[in-house]
Amino acid sequence: ETGVTQTPRHLVMGMTNKKSLKCEQHLGHNAMYWYKQSAKKPLELMFVYNFKEQTENNSVPSRFSPECPNSSHLFLHLHTLQPEDSALYLCASSQESGSGSDEQFFGPGTRLTVL
Amino acid sequence: GQNIDQPTEMTATEGAIVQINCTYQTSGFNGLFWYQQHAGEAPTFLSYNVLDGLEEKGRFSSFLSRSKGYSYLLLKELQMKDSASYLCAVEDSNYQLIWGAGTKLIIKP
Repeated sequence: ETGVTQTPRHLVMGMTNKKSLKCEQHLGHNAMYWYKQSAKKPLELMFVYNFKEQTENNSVPSRFSPECPNSSHLFLHLHTLQPEDSALYLCASSQESGSGSDEQFFGPGTRLTVL
Repeated sequence: GQNIDQPTEMTATEGAIVQINCTYQTSGFNGLFWYQQHAGEAPTFLSYNVLDGLEEKGRFSSFLSRSKGYSYLLLKELQMKDSASYLCAVEDSNYQLIWGAGTKLIIKP
């Protein structure tokens, strides 16, 4: 238990569906992250929020839409996804973004399958 | 471009020692992290190096040479529970983490 929870743990959706992933951290951190993890590939950073402001968007397609209503919650809204978007989506948090030695605490991830 | 290289898979024997290497080429350097990820679970932090040398934490040690763009994670007295993927990540000049693809470590009895 890392103090970061994600729901749902597994999600199967069609290409025309709309769904949302939720992340919550109970660590009092100010930075939250969304990553995509595909088999045998490096973690891909998607979005970074620092003090609720988006500070990074690594050229992520618009079919992925993040939302950060407060420092403890982070959402990833999904719509019209493609089969190649199937992956493990990991949420992480840290004390602050861009401050050097802060380790990131990861949630267990959402295993997404797009049919 | 930015690149982190680590072996895809390694096998070792219970009770032995294993060294997992990581080489990097990044735009700037603000530290190097090692994380452990068991299958189906979240990555968890193992170590952080920003200065050259060896950092020891129980059975695990991490080494850094900034001039060579090189790090290794040393695991001693291997246990079956050490079977996992080990991820190397470098913080670049923008404090963004650049990740390696991970090394899957298989421990045999």
